[in-house]
Amino acid sequence: RKEVEQDPGPFNVPEGATVAFNCTYSNSASQSFFWYRQDCRKEPKLLMSVYSSGNEDGRFTAQLNRASQYISLLIRDSKLSDSATYLCVVTDTGGFKTIFGAGTRLFVKA
Amino acid sequence: ETGVTQTPRHLVMGMTNKKSLKCEQHLGHNAMYWYKQSAKKPLELMFVYSLEERVENNSVPSRFSPECPNSSHLFLHLHTLQPEDSALYLCASSHDRLTANYGYTFGSGTRLTVV
Repeated sequence: RKEVEQDPGPFNVPEGATVAFNCTYSNSASQSFFWYRQDCRKEPKLLMSVYSSGNEDGRFTAQLNRASQYISLLIRDSKLSDSATYLCVVTDTGGFKTIFGAGTRLFVKA
Repeated sequence: ETGVTQTPRHLVMGMTNKKSLKCEQHLGHNAMYWYKQSAKKPLELMFVYSLEERVENNSVPSRFSPECPNSSHLFLHLHTLQPEDSALYLCASSHDRLTANYGYTFGSGTRLTVV
């Protein structure tokens, strides 16, 4: 089993749609969780951290389910500019080991 | 300049060449990282430097040689590379090794092609 697993997609959605990505992780001792966004041929950029209580930033909502060892990212009212690859990132206790998922591709179409 | 700057943006080199990738961060961070990103694969951590000391080397072949002369600069020296080493090489920094828990700042990467 991969340490961090994501559905590679691609997800093709129309503008205005709501789309959700899941990411599962294998290490139950994992401590910190993130979603990064990577545009084509660009570097990853931190989108948001994921907290146990869930957190929201505008149209983006991230949630963590420790019992089932997955995190999710929900994007509401999708924009064309949301088209990108979304990377799930998990770090262990102390931040000494950071594992990146392979990413989920999202295409938002007009 | 702000953030993390990498040069060159693109590099084509022969298998017998020697070249270096450069990374500079202007964030006052104490930890710096080299990552490799191959097509359709997750980012692979190569090296970690914390306070200019190498603290992690993830079984990277010796044809990759990192150097961290100070907390703002990181180099990756390349020699006798193989075609499978062609990839996007990303530099990242974080405030320190522990606060990688707060996420990284990445440079824009060097796209390397080995011919």
